Amino acid sequence: EAQVTQNPRYLITVTGKKLTVTCSQNMNHEYMSWYRQDPGLGLRQIYYSMNVEVTDKGDVPEGYKVSRKEKRNFPLILESPSPNQTSLYFCASSFISTNYGYTFGSGTRLTVV
Amino acid sequence: GESVGLHLPTLSVQEGDNSIINCAYSNSASDYFIWYKQESGKGPQFIIDIRSNMDKRQGQRVTVLLNKTVKHLSLQIAATQPGDSAVYFCAEKRVMDSNYQLIWGAGTKLIIKP
Repeated sequence: EAQVTQNPRYLITVTGKKLTVTCSQNMNHEYMSWYRQDPGLGLRQIYYSMNVEVTDKGDVPEGYKVSRKEKRNFPLILESPSPNQTSLYFCASSFISTNYGYTFGSGTRLTVV
Repeated sequence: GESVGLHLPTLSVQEGDNSIINCAYSNSASDYFIWYKQESGKGPQFIIDIRSNMDKRQGQRVTVLLNKTVKHLSLQIAATQPGDSAVYFCAEKRVMDSNYQLIWGAGTKLIIKP
């Protein structure tokens, strides 16, 4: 089944403790992206990647890192999480074209206390 | 600034009636639009898309209409069912600074009344 898989689905952590949210897709998509979703603010892009070893900042990159060592994986790294990073996170992937929509993962609900 | 927006944050519809969700966009150069459905606790799910060289596209129980003159997009759901309860987002996909970015609306919550 074609899908984007995120792990974990739920995570509660403490301020300052490094964490990684994994994202993997099996559709051979070149483009991958991370979003956060907060009430009243909709979906905001954190980072994106056009292909292996090519990453760039989205609208809200502060406090996050990403890497794209393989085409299928695009982990999101929070080196020192803070409470304002409590949010619902989505990974998405797509072919490089304006004529394709994104496929989204099921989301990771992160709480930083 | 450029944006994709929705006219109504919440829409209540009687089960069995048709639903119409509206969306306005401001970038006349945009050429690809998508509707997503997001159920509680899940990621956005692709419903239907439309390219700017079309003014109507139909799927199963859903129709998207595009009016480029007034930069307006709508999603019509026929014979609304309880399973249609969700937040619906319109999105515009375009290239910005080499980023194939989705510009999202804030979403419309569709509530189905029994």
